[in-house]
Amino acid sequence: GAVVSQHPSRVICKSGTSVKIECRSLDFQATTMFWYRQFPKQSLMLMATSNEGSKATYEQGVEKDKFLINHASLTLSTLTVTSAHPEDSSFYICSARDPAASGGQNTGELFFGEGSRLTVL
Amino acid sequence: GESVGLHLPTLSVQEGDNSIINCAYSNSASDYFIWYKQESGKGPQFIIDIRSNMDKRQGQRVTVLLNKTVKHLSLQIAATQPGDSAVYFCAETFSGGYNKLIFGAGTRLAVHP
Repeated sequence: GAVVSQHPSRVICKSGTSVKIECRSLDFQATTMFWYRQFPKQSLMLMATSNEGSKATYEQGVEKDKFLINHASLTLSTLTVTSAHPEDSSFYICSARDPAASGGQNTGELFFGEGSRLTVL
Repeated sequence: GESVGLHLPTLSVQEGDNSIINCAYSNSASDYFIWYKQESGKGPQFIIDIRSNMDKRQGQRVTVLLNKTVKHLSLQIAATQPGDSAVYFCAETFSGGYNKLIFGAGTRLAVHP
């Protein structure tokens, strides 16, 4: 089946630095990818929708200048946490929709990456 | 609606028993629902889905029931196994396909031998 890969799986950084997380669709083209954040023992919270070739759409309360999203190709979206602080420590998960998974219909099946755990010291 | 950050409720079952995990969704306009399984440190794994024009769908050892009247979704796991231990989330989305996938609070399933 379709595979979504995230890199790195774990990253530790110092407060004030920026961290980039990559999300790749390995065997399909994804015009739309989604970024979620998950704090310990909590649910996944949608941060933004990443659209290939255009600006990302951010959810209410998510700072677009802090969480920079770039979807430069049909197989890669990146999330950059700028000037990271300890409160940004979380599990970041991306997902991508494979339009071909449902015969080209608009629904498609959503595939999740394995997540990237960010720890900010 | 958005999930509220709370400690996950836990369902403890004996191996071999049937498990029922419940979920209440908030948006009456949601027309597609998915159950995901998440193991520690991993991303969500698709289990089963159901559209709003159905009230029941069965998979291998799993059944999803949808009650649109009370906006309730349930996941039934037959003959629960230790490998089923994980956190289970329901998710809802709106018409038009995968726009915003909103996750429920989640339930931790603990299977005891």
